Formats: sequence, structure tokens, C-alpha cells
Amino acid sequence: GQSLEQPSEVTAVEGAIVQINCTYQTSGFYGLSWYQQHDGGAPTFLSYNALDGLEETGRFSSFLSRSDSYGYLLLQELQMKDSASYFCAARGTGANNLFFGTGTRLTVIP
Amino acid sequence: GAVVSQHPSRVICKSGTSVKIECRSLDFQATTMFWYRQFPKQSLMLMATSNEGSKATYEQGVEKDKFLINHASLTLSTLTVTSAHPEDSSFYICSAIRGGGTEAFFGQGTRLTVV
Repeated sequence: GQSLEQPSEVTAVEGAIVQINCTYQTSGFYGLSWYQQHDGGAPTFLSYNALDGLEETGRFSSFLSRSDSYGYLLLQELQMKDSASYFCAARGTGANNLFFGTGTRLTVIP
Repeated sequence: GAVVSQHPSRVICKSGTSVKIECRSLDFQATTMFWYRQFPKQSLMLMATSNEGSKATYEQGVEKDKFLINHASLTLSTLTVTSAHPEDSSFYICSAIRGGGTEAFFGQGTRLTVV
């Protein structure tokens, strides 16, 4: 089966840095993705890690450790508009699927 | 970025009726599309993978006779909720990945309310 676990909620102050963790168990693994979803909206792609290490895209960075079955999303210089749900996602055996993590609801406070 | 269009965005139907939701990839061919269900404040649960020209692959616990999926062309997949019940009320959303890509593009989602 597929399992991607995330903390359910995180609260952080505007301008700060926050890290959202994801631990996964998948039968087959083809990389870890991260998506952002605002209430009532569709998920939007943030980043993808196929290999171990850190990928940086502006204020967002994502890290993967395949040996630890672990990854995280790092958000810097938090803005109020970053308040949303964040999901890690992975493809399982055969890659003909895309499973999402339990999701983390981020609240940015002034 | 690529565009995936989903229709309708909202639908209200009576118990026992069927509802069809369409998912179109507008600027790329999608041999595979994914259908998800999302309850309020919860994650996206993969229901099935829609494969163009062949049968859909359903996840465990999803009734294939209730959630009919058709992927008749490279740009269109449909999900039909048959004999809808109030417990089927949810947010349904589709996505597609461009061939060779890693980013999933999502439709706008369909909020289904069964009364």
C-alpha cells in the first residue's frame, strides 16, 4: 500500500521560515512532489525531487532523502497568502498513479 | 503551464440519479488521468486511474460499478456517479500529467451535492 504522512497543522509568523515534513511508504518510488491547495481551489504544483538533496525554487525549497523515506518542504519569508494546505505526493509501482499525503494546513499569522 | 478543464464546477442532484463529470486536457494529450475525491479539510483520495482506450484502474474500496470512468479520447475522461446518494456528496477533482513530465495539472474540481 501507499502511505504518506504529514503533520496535520502548522502555524507560523509572517516573515518566518517553516518546514513541513513528509514520511512515506510506497511500493515503488518515482520521486516526491509537493502541491499547494487554497480552500475551495485546485492543487498547484510546487516542486519535485527525484534524487536526494535540496531543490530550491524562490522562497520554496524541497528536500528528499530516499534512504530515510523522508522529505520536507521549506517555506521562507512567509507571507499571509502562503496560508493553505500543502501536500506531498508520490507515484507508486508502475508510476500509473499519484498518491497524496495526509496534508498539512499552514496558517500564517501577523 | 498546461491546462486541464473540469466541468461542471458545481452540481446538485437528487438521490438515485446519475451525474457525469468531464475532465479535458486542453493543450496536451493525456493517456492517463487521475480522479480524486476530497472531503472537507482532508486529503485527496485517489479513486481511479483513467487510461485512454482501456479500462480504468480502481483503488481498493472504490466501487467501479458506481463510479464509471470512460477515457475515450486522449483529451477527455469522464466520471459518472451512478445512483447517487447523499454520502456521495464531495469534491471530485481530476488531474493529468503531460507525457514525460512530473507535474500533475488539476481541473477546477466539481462540488457534488446529492439531496
